[in-house]
Amino acid sequence: DAGITQSPRHKVTETGTPVTLRCHQTENHRYMYWYRQDPGHGLRLIHYSYGVKDTDKGEVSDGYSVSRSKTEDFLLTLESATSSQTSVYFCAISETPPSGIQDTQYFGPGTRLTVL
Amino acid sequence: AQSVAQPEDQVNVAEGNPLTVKCTYSVSGNPYLFWYVQYPNRGLQFLLKYITGDNLVKGSYGFEAEFNKSQTSFHLKKPSALVSDSALYFCAVRDRYSSASKIIFGSGTRLSIRP
Repeated sequence: DAGITQSPRHKVTETGTPVTLRCHQTENHRYMYWYRQDPGHGLRLIHYSYGVKDTDKGEVSDGYSVSRSKTEDFLLTLESATSSQTSVYFCAISETPPSGIQDTQYFGPGTRLTVL
Repeated sequence: AQSVAQPEDQVNVAEGNPLTVKCTYSVSGNPYLFWYVQYPNRGLQFLLKYITGDNLVKGSYGFEAEFNKSQTSFHLKKPSALVSDSALYFCAVRDRYSSASKIIFGSGTRLSIRP
């Protein structure tokens, strides 16, 4: 899984509680991404980062926040978890090749989150 | 707007037969196209990509894909399927000059290879 770890791998929590998922990379790649995977929807981008302290929203960012204080770590926070956020969450990374246009993304193993 | 479609939720093939997993796309400019595979309880693994040049792209595990601009398709193929190819396959597309947030994944096709 390309030097990417996610923690925790599984979590069960209750509605209304805060949850933080962590993505850690050892590849020194500039770009990091958080996706959620749901049946029938493929992967949908939540937030991404293009450098330390530089982040932007994806297509399903409501209810989520992110932070990136170091190149290697990208945190995803659910401020107040809801049942609709039950999903499998994947972190991904990509580098910027000489062309300057990042392309291939490499994925972590995923975190299965259940919100009761 | 960018979009990608995988018209088949599931594809069933006998071991040793050729397989095709279909993908069509829509972008405003020139596309970057990708195939990823996901095995149970694992993250997505990169299989191959089309950036430019030869329309036939060869990737990992004997897979290949053909970029067809006129049909806006990027079908994944393998001449002889293996049981171990059984997995979930995702096609993805990005406009060549769009930002990182504009990578769109298809909904996935489950490939089942029977012995």
